[in-house]
Amino acid sequence: ETGVTQTPRHLVMGMTNKKSLKCEQHLGHNAMYWYKQSAKKPLELMFVYNFKEQTENNSVPSRFSPECPNSSHLFLHLHTLQPEDSALYLCASSQERGGNEQFFGPGTRLTVL
Amino acid sequence: RKEVEQDPGPFNVPEGATVAFNCTYSNSASQSFFWYRQDCRKEPKLLMSVYSSGNEDGRFTAQLNRASQYISLLIRDSKLSDSATYLCVVRLIRQRRALTFGSGTRLQVQP
Repeated sequence: ETGVTQTPRHLVMGMTNKKSLKCEQHLGHNAMYWYKQSAKKPLELMFVYNFKEQTENNSVPSRFSPECPNSSHLFLHLHTLQPEDSALYLCASSQERGGNEQFFGPGTRLTVL
Repeated sequence: RKEVEQDPGPFNVPEGATVAFNCTYSNSASQSFFWYRQDCRKEPKLLMSVYSSGNEDGRFTAQLNRASQYISLLIRDSKLSDSATYLCVVRLIRQRRALTFGSGTRLQVQP
């Protein structure tokens, strides 16, 4: 299994749909992250989880709802999104202590119609 | 002012050339510094950490100037496979794990 996996890889949804993005890490890390990458913009941190506890919410609208049932899994529940939410959503993980490196998943490319 | 600022490029260079990227950061409380590489339509991957004394990894040299708040990346003997977007990344002392990314500098190495 590769380090960080994300499903689905591509998602098209309407503004009234509800969908969820899934991330799983096989690296034994304790911290997990959601980032948003829009065209020609830097990666924006959305949420940070450390040992399943949310430690940061970067002023993300409530239409994005994260869930972290355990240290290996992270979800992003989507509801009533807007077209401007279309972007690449990247999950990452890292060790809570020591190494600063974050390992990223391949991302989910989301299009909101 | 952006927290991390980079020239978006693209930098078009021939194979074998030496190319340098700079990055400036606005917050003097930034503690850790990195260069990540992102290939087209792929996820970012750590290229190298940047240490105060400067560090080298093969053809890549990274330097940090805290007084001027900038970071540089030098690539020697460019290869076609170096074509990618290079992301400058900093971490603030108050944010134990969260990283702040620049928009990236695109490099295109041409044959």
